[in-house]
Order: sequence, then structure tokens, then C-alpha cells
Amino acid sequence: QVQLVESGGDLVKPGGSVRLSCAASGFNFNDYYMSWIRQPPGKGLEWLTYITPTSSTMFYSDSVKGRFTISRDNAKNSLYLEMNNLRVDDTALYYCVTTRPYNGDFDHWGQGTLVTVSS
Amino acid sequence: QSALTQPASVSGSPGQSITISCTGSSNDIGNYKLVSWYLQHPGKAPKLMIFEVTKRPSGVSNRFSGSQSGNTASLTISGLQAEDEADYFCCSYAGRDSWVFGGGTKLTVL
Repeated sequence: QVQLVESGGDLVKPGGSVRLSCAASGFNFNDYYMSWIRQPPGKGLEWLTYITPTSSTMFYSDSVKGRFTISRDNAKNSLYLEMNNLRVDDTALYYCVTTRPYNGDFDHWGQGTLVTVSS
Repeated sequence: QSALTQPASVSGSPGQSITISCTGSSNDIGNYKLVSWYLQHPGKAPKLMIFEVTKRPSGVSNRFSGSQSGNTASLTISGLQAEDEADYFCCSYAGRDSWVFGGGTKLTVL
């Protein structure tokens, strides 16, 4: 079955950087669009970014454009999120999610990795 | 993009039906038939329950149904069960390859 396992979450100071990883298994990763979605503690969900199967195109929400970079390595069945210039309000659980853009939905979710931005 | 608007909480007794609304705008819900709904139990990852407004993924109970009228989408759960108690989030495609979520609704089964 589909498995998505995020890692890399950490306690980071404002202005710092962190790189998240997501290891995918149980499906043909090469064929899937992938997104990162976050959830601040006790709050709602926010879509951040998605990447096409061949990395030809990436899209970002306005809140992270210019600070976050999504990438993937299909040979390693892995998705990444490089996060720079972190702010306190970036504190959240970050989910790696398979994306069906033509259905407009997110059908499989990892368990998330926590990024805490605090001085 | 502005978040979609959901009621903070709804409640119902076992066996009853409840409906959760999700209000957006002509830039998202009203312009695309691409509304999805997610269930999230405490400490767990969200789970897709409804896509393309009315469709259920394989394995999702037919007690869950979705609808849309204008800029508002709705999720109805019939025959409420204790296990339905969770947070529910709506989501809509918002154009230009972006998505917007609702703030979430906490469902309490009395």
C-alpha cells in the first residue's frame, strides 16, 4: 500500500533553514504529482507547493514563494522541501501528499514532520 | 487566496444526519467543480473522503456525501456513528495551480 514517510523536522531559529524529506513506497512514484501541505498546531491545513512527475514545473502558494523550494528524485522515490528564511509562523506539521491535480484532491498523506521556528 | 469558511463545530446524535457547509467565492468553489473533503482524527493524518464535489474514493462509506450550490459546498454524514467524531476540512482548487482549504469543523457525536 501507499506509504509516505516524512523526516527532517527540527527546532530552528527565525531566519534559519531546514530541508524536509519524504520517502515514498508502495506505488509508482514516478507517475505522481506531489505536494507539501502544512498544519500549524491546533489549526487548519494550508497547501504550500506541488511538483509535476518529471519536475518540469513547480507551483507555490504566495506565503512561501521565494523562500521554499520543492524538488524530487524519482530514482530514490523521494520528495524534498528546502525551507529558507524561516519565520515563527512557519511552525507547523508538514505533510507529504500525493496529488491528483485533475481531480483537484490529495489522496494519500504521510504522518507529517514537525518544524518549530523559535528563538 | 482567502481560506474557505466552515463552521467551527457541529454536533449530532448517533443515527442522525449532519451537514457541514464550506463557503468560498467565484474564484474557487463557484468556478471549479473540484471540491474535496478530508477527515482528520486527533493525532492522525487527514484522509480523503470526497473528491470532485460528490465522488467517494474506494472504501469510503456511502454515509458520506457531498454537494455544491454556487459558492458553497456541503458534506453530509448520515447515520452518525461514534467513529465519525473528528475534524473535517474542505478544499477547493483555486485556479493558477493553487488550492485553498477551509478552517476545519469539529464534529462531536453526542
